[in-house]
Amino acid sequence: GEEVAQTPKHLVRGEGQKAKLYCAPIKGHSYVFWYQQVLKNEFKFLISFQNENVFDETGMPKERFSAKCLPNSPCSLEIQATKLEDSAVYFCASSLRGGAATEAFFGQGTRLTVV
Amino acid sequence: AQKVTQAQTEISVVEKEDVTLDCVYETRDTTYYLFWYKQPPSGELVFLIRRNSFDEQNEISGRYSWNFQKSTSSFNFTITASQVVDSAVYFCALMDTGRRALTFGSGTRLQVQP
Repeated sequence: GEEVAQTPKHLVRGEGQKAKLYCAPIKGHSYVFWYQQVLKNEFKFLISFQNENVFDETGMPKERFSAKCLPNSPCSLEIQATKLEDSAVYFCASSLRGGAATEAFFGQGTRLTVV
Repeated sequence: AQKVTQAQTEISVVEKEDVTLDCVYETRDTTYYLFWYKQPPSGELVFLIRRNSFDEQNEISGRYSWNFQKSTSSFNFTITASQVVDSAVYFCALMDTGRRALTFGSGTRLQVQP
């Protein structure tokens, strides 16, 4: 597709439940990035992929967060046993190449609310 | 460690005024890229500009202009003759060539009153 497609747009989970978010990058883009936006403004980098391989996972809270990008499937970000502090908008971005010379195009985001 | 500071939390102007959004960055890299994104009330992130660390030329795109000064580690964004549609949160971001992830500033909320 011509845009980064994120589903669902909104997700509500009770504390302790699992949440799974999906991202279809722009066709032909080989890099995918996940960011978490909390408190309206603060962005935090979570993880990036080069095709199906993890490129950088230094931002991932390892205990409950996991992510995958499998061939011919949307990428996914899964949170096991959600906590109230996981409430945020999760943005996915893709770029043609991972180099800084190419800008990342962002999806519309998934708003996760943990109650 | 990298850091991006947008000291202005919120700015309010009246339509047709010019407004400058400040961005100061810190990095130890000699090669890096700077970005500006716009986040309108609808929530999506819209790419505005990318500038690499070797190109200090100012850029103008319509009513938008950017002033990159390496000497002061600043990458400021000016909107000329602001319009109500410019109301949004604007983010400055820095990318290092190693991790390729963006480090965002905390954003500046711009409100343009009619």
